[in-house]
Amino acid sequence: GAGVSQSPSNKVTEKGKDVELRCDPISGHTALYWYRQSLGQGLEFLIYFQGNSAPDKSGLPSDRFSAERTGGSVSTLTIQRTQQEDSAVYLCASSFDGKNIQYFGAGTRLSVL
Amino acid sequence: RKEVEQDPGPFNVPEGATVAFNCTYSNSASQSFFWYRQDCRKEPKLLMSVYSSGNEDGRFTAQLNRASQYISLLIRDSKLSDSATYLCVVNMGNTGNQFYFGTGTSLTVIP
Repeated sequence: GAGVSQSPSNKVTEKGKDVELRCDPISGHTALYWYRQSLGQGLEFLIYFQGNSAPDKSGLPSDRFSAERTGGSVSTLTIQRTQQEDSAVYLCASSFDGKNIQYFGAGTRLSVL
Repeated sequence: RKEVEQDPGPFNVPEGATVAFNCTYSNSASQSFFWYRQDCRKEPKLLMSVYSSGNEDGRFTAQLNRASQYISLLIRDSKLSDSATYLCVVNMGNTGNQFYFGTGTSLTVIP
């Protein structure tokens, strides 16, 4: 079956522009996660969606970052007024129930010039 | 103290060697445990879940020690293709996000 799908795979943008990153989780998975990984670094948790519950936004680094998940499926991570330090790989993962295995998408590599 | 801690390495071992990684976690109520593998510039992929009784998958053996709050991964007869970063992952069973990732242990298997 289809895995977690992310788009675009690469995004180059200019400082100050807004970007939207998309994640399509595995069908039937209620939990969805966004992470950020800078070159050579570990995973940094950003936000977590579980079913219809309020998302856990505790990892978002600033108010320039926001995410939504429509209809309990597709999620969009939006970064407003991008800065060079936002350059990283943004990874999305989904899990059947939030307690078990996470499956990752291939990520979006964001470069802010 | 970090929720999940790993020795970052790097571990450089010759082909055929046995290598072991440990990972400690802070929350004694943690519920599930995993080892993920991440290749350079790729996404993490599940290597194996870790069960209380320990489990083995070919050359890979995972152990859980709840009393000491650590999990381990043993790789026997290392192959060049085992070169990667190994991530320890713990589900702490809290409300909200429950998964905590270690920063990873880098392994390079040398010919």
